[in-house]
Amino acid sequence: AQSVAQPEDQVNVAEGNPLTVKCTYSVSGNPYLFWYVQYPNRGLQFLLKYITGDNLVKGSYGFEAEFNKSQTSFHLKKPSALVSDSALYFCAVHRDDKIIFGKGTRLHILP
Amino acid sequence: EAGVAQSPRYKIIEKRQSVAFWCNPISGHATLYWYQQILGQGPKLLIQFQNNGVVDDSQLPKDRFSAERLKGVDSTLKIQPAKLEDSAVYLCASSLVVRGMFTEAFFGQGTRLTVV
Repeated sequence: AQSVAQPEDQVNVAEGNPLTVKCTYSVSGNPYLFWYVQYPNRGLQFLLKYITGDNLVKGSYGFEAEFNKSQTSFHLKKPSALVSDSALYFCAVHRDDKIIFGKGTRLHILP
Repeated sequence: EAGVAQSPRYKIIEKRQSVAFWCNPISGHATLYWYQQILGQGPKLLIQFQNNGVVDDSQLPKDRFSAERLKGVDSTLKIQPAKLEDSAVYLCASSLVVRGMFTEAFFGQGTRLTVV
């Protein structure tokens, strides 16, 4: 069965520091991997995706993610965190016409 | 481009009452999803439509939940009768199919349902 794991419920980072939000996946075949962000009282917004090609993908708001096939990971990263990055982040896999979400990681950026 | 529209934004009902949510996807998006998001959890797929046909409703509690997508455009999700555990945010999303591959989903702002 396809699944996505986000091992951290919450990540705290000081403003200006680099951030990483972890995601691992279990998918048969080639994975289509996505990151979505949810701000308070808002729906989910697409951040970036990996379909094929370069393992480092860049997305909205300065975020990027690295696809690592050997570690089955797709960690979300940003070189310098902003307070406005504080939100709930979801990793997702699109497979067999379905979207499967991880449980989410709450990111707190401390001023 | 207009986004996914959902209404109402908030709804409070008593248990055993019925409620309906409405969603209008982005124009041209063939795939429409309804998700339930309980506080602190990731979205759980309730039902997925491709045009006006159901692709997946395996996690829809069919004894109380129903959904339809007439004419393959907008959709309604109904709960009858509601239970306390149905309190959640109901998210509607839509996506394109490009060359047989599903693109990213675009989400509405959701309907926050509180059952008391």
